[in-house]
Amino acid sequence: DGGITQSPKYLFRKEGQNVTLSCEQNLNHDAMYWYRQDPGQGLRLIYYSQIVNDFQKGDIAEGYSVSREKKESFPLTVTSAQKNPTAFYLCASRTTSGGGDTQYFGPGTRLTVL
Amino acid sequence: EDQVTQSPEALRLQEGESSSLNCSYTVSGLRGLFWYRQDPGKGPEFLFTLYSAGEEKEKERLKATLTKKESFLHITAPKPEDSATYLCAVQGVVGSSNTGKLIFGQGTTLQVKP
Repeated sequence: DGGITQSPKYLFRKEGQNVTLSCEQNLNHDAMYWYRQDPGQGLRLIYYSQIVNDFQKGDIAEGYSVSREKKESFPLTVTSAQKNPTAFYLCASRTTSGGGDTQYFGPGTRLTVL
Repeated sequence: EDQVTQSPEALRLQEGESSSLNCSYTVSGLRGLFWYRQDPGKGPEFLFTLYSAGEEKEKERLKATLTKKESFLHITAPKPEDSATYLCAVQGVVGSSNTGKLIFGQGTTLQVKP
């Protein structure tokens, strides 16, 4: 089955720790995105990558880092510098084939800081 | 600054009671407007992409329309399984690049009672 997988589904972090969220896709999409979702707010873009070995900051990149060493993988690290990391994190990949433009989302990772 | 506002925040309908959700947007140039459905604790599920004013798309009981300032998601004869949060997003024109960056609204939470 083609799709986007995120792991883990739930993640608990102690203050001061860095944690890495996994995102893998087998859709052969070039572009991938990380969003953060907080209650009552829309999704906000953290980082995005349009091609392997290249990525750009989104609107709320402070306290986060990413890498894009493989087309299929776009891991997100939440560092200790992120002031309020408790949120629902969503990864997406994008296709523009067939004249359309669509981002497909993974199931999400819920991060809780203890 | 690109902005998306959805209304109402919450909507309760009886099964079979048709209604519409609104998405108002401000964007310098519209590349596309997107509708997603999100169930609690899950990633958004793609519904529609609209590209130009006057465009309409349908899927089962859902119909999306687009004007130069807003989009409507019409729900005809809803069923309890249509209960979810519906998200609207826009992709604007940023120079000559096509980054795929989406700006999301806060969402409308729909509850359909049997």
